[in-house]
Amino acid sequence: SQQGEEDPQALSIQEGENATMNCSYKTSINNLQWYRQNSGRGLVHLILIRSNEREKHSGRLRVTLDTSKKSSSLLITASRAADTASYFCASSGAGSYQLTFGKGTKLSVIP
Amino acid sequence: GAVVSQHPSWVICKSGTSVKIECRSLDFQATTMFWYRQFPKQSLMLMATSNEGSKATYEQGVEKDKFLINHASLTLSTLTVTSAHPEDSSFYICSAPPGGSQETQYFGPGTRLLVL
Repeated sequence: SQQGEEDPQALSIQEGENATMNCSYKTSINNLQWYRQNSGRGLVHLILIRSNEREKHSGRLRVTLDTSKKSSSLLITASRAADTASYFCASSGAGSYQLTFGKGTKLSVIP
Repeated sequence: GAVVSQHPSWVICKSGTSVKIECRSLDFQATTMFWYRQFPKQSLMLMATSNEGSKATYEQGVEKDKFLINHASLTLSTLTVTSAHPEDSSFYICSAPPGGSQETQYFGPGTRLLVL
């Protein structure tokens, strides 16, 4: 199965700054999704980008996908203390429901 | 939006006992559900795919006799950790894609298991 890698593993920024997290994967995908997880809680779906898309926006979130490099990035602009959480990318192959998760980035936004 | 629930949200048990965790899709039918395990400060690892009306599909390295999965209806899948040991202590999360969607998945809030 695919194994996603994310960097950085941990990121600490000041409120108002932008946060960028990166994710890489190993095999071809149908789509890539980003999820957020608050400590000890379930996952919240943030955004999905399909393999034929290169960039997608949702509010303060911007996701890019580079299939030639098998990588994706998540940008959170104008961060808030409430954005503090772990962020995971997850990819799925064609015709499959299965998601393979990256290792995650723990984001801390300091007020 | 679609909601997936899990019960219990946390459980403490003695070593050697069995624990059942329920995953329910509350407002949609799910022929397929997924079970993940997450150790502290780590990512989610897929354990198995639960299929309504048929046997679950387990990922490599996951013991099917230890982690029993039953998907008895279109809205309920159960994971039973049999003869639990301290190393089974983890956060167990289920997810379900709404019928017809191969993209969206909804995740349950997770069940924290502590085996003493």
